[in-house]
Amino acid sequence: RKEVEQDPGPFNVPEGATVAFNCTYSNSASQSFFWYRQDCRKEPKLLMSVYSSGNEDGRFTAQLNRASQYISLLIRDSKLSDSATYLCVVNPNNNDMRFGAGTRLTVKP
Amino acid sequence: NAGVTQTPKFQVLKTGQSMTLQCAQDMNHNSMYWYRQDPGMGLRLIYYSASEGTTDKGEVPNGYNVSRLNKREFSLRLESAAPSQTSVYFCASSESAGGKGNTIYFGEGSWLTVV
Repeated sequence: RKEVEQDPGPFNVPEGATVAFNCTYSNSASQSFFWYRQDCRKEPKLLMSVYSSGNEDGRFTAQLNRASQYISLLIRDSKLSDSATYLCVVNPNNNDMRFGAGTRLTVKP
Repeated sequence: NAGVTQTPKFQVLKTGQSMTLQCAQDMNHNSMYWYRQDPGMGLRLIYYSASEGTTDKGEVPNGYNVSRLNKREFSLRLESAAPSQTSVYFCASSESAGGKGNTIYFGEGSWLTVV
């Protein structure tokens, strides 16, 4: 079993739609969680951290469920510019980050 | 505005050749990383350096060596390239190794093909 698993998609949604991605992780001792965004042939960039109480940044909401060992990302009112691959990232210890393979999102007009 | 700079951006190697990927960061970060990204596999850590003077193996270190030359620079060397090392390589840095709220900044990537 992979340490971090994501549905690869693709998710194809119309502009204005709400879309949600889930990510599961295997190491119950993991302490830090993040969502990164990666555009085609570009480097990953931090989208948002995920806190235990859940957190929101504009149209983006991230949640953590420790009991079930998953994190989620909700995007409301999707824009064309949201088209990208979203990477789930888990910090299982203090030395490195483990990345999921990513979920691809395409927002269509 | 440089952030993390890695070179070369594209390289084609023949099996058995050696090469070094260079990486430098100007954010005064303590920790640096080398990842490879393959389709369907996500980013996998090759080696990391938690601080100047230290290096440690990640998930997939076989076939690679690294050097933390100073606080700014962290190079990745392929001693004898193999087709299985065809991949996109990302150098990255962070203020410290792991930890809550720690952001990793990536270079633009190096596309390596081994034929």
